[in-house]
Amino acid sequence: NAGVTQTPKFRILKIGQSMTLQCTQDMNHNYMYWYRQDPGMGLKLIYYSVGAGITDKGEVPNGYNVSRSTTEDFPLRLELAAPSQTSVYFCASSYPPGHPYGYTFGSGTRLTVV
Amino acid sequence: DQQVKQNSPSLSVQEGRISILNCDYTNSMFDYFLWYKKYPAEGPTFLISISSIKDKNEDGRFTVFLNKSAKHLSLHIVPSQPGDSAVYFCASQGGSEKLVFGKGTKLTVNP
Repeated sequence: NAGVTQTPKFRILKIGQSMTLQCTQDMNHNYMYWYRQDPGMGLKLIYYSVGAGITDKGEVPNGYNVSRSTTEDFPLRLELAAPSQTSVYFCASSYPPGHPYGYTFGSGTRLTVV
Repeated sequence: DQQVKQNSPSLSVQEGRISILNCDYTNSMFDYFLWYKKYPAEGPTFLISISSIKDKNEDGRFTVFLNKSAKHLSLHIVPSQPGDSAVYFCASQGGSEKLVFGKGTKLTVNP
């Protein structure tokens, strides 16, 4: 009963490097999301997807890209890492809006850009 | 413009007493409200929810109250336990829209 799995848990990047944060879920949820959480701040939505092949921008999409080729996987790509992208990243999945249990979150990826 | 506001960044209570966490929202289209709990180094986990057709929902020690006219909801934890120490996020949703989260309130329950 894995739920939402994120890898890696920690990563240090140099400015200008690229990386992909992996997210996979085994609950057959159509909806998936990427959030970032900065210290003292709430969760800000980066990108989301309502199903395979469909993605859309959230509140803070600049500097990121996503793809959704399968229902299970929703990777987040950072192309040119910047210090402003130092944050904790959470992936989540859900049934359609209004479901009583809301979103299921992964355990997060802590990213530091130096 | 924050649509969901948790004005208290932190709250400290004694074990066995009541914890009350507050949340205000501005969007009158919100019709579903949730509370999430987050421990350090973990993702948020769902705690309790309420739809706008209700004004109260209970689950064990946790009760959420909704006051639609005031656009205010609160989470009551009775009795509070040290294991309840965590950051609590309020989240709201309207129709087919995505959840909007508050900034969180860090609850510390002292033994």
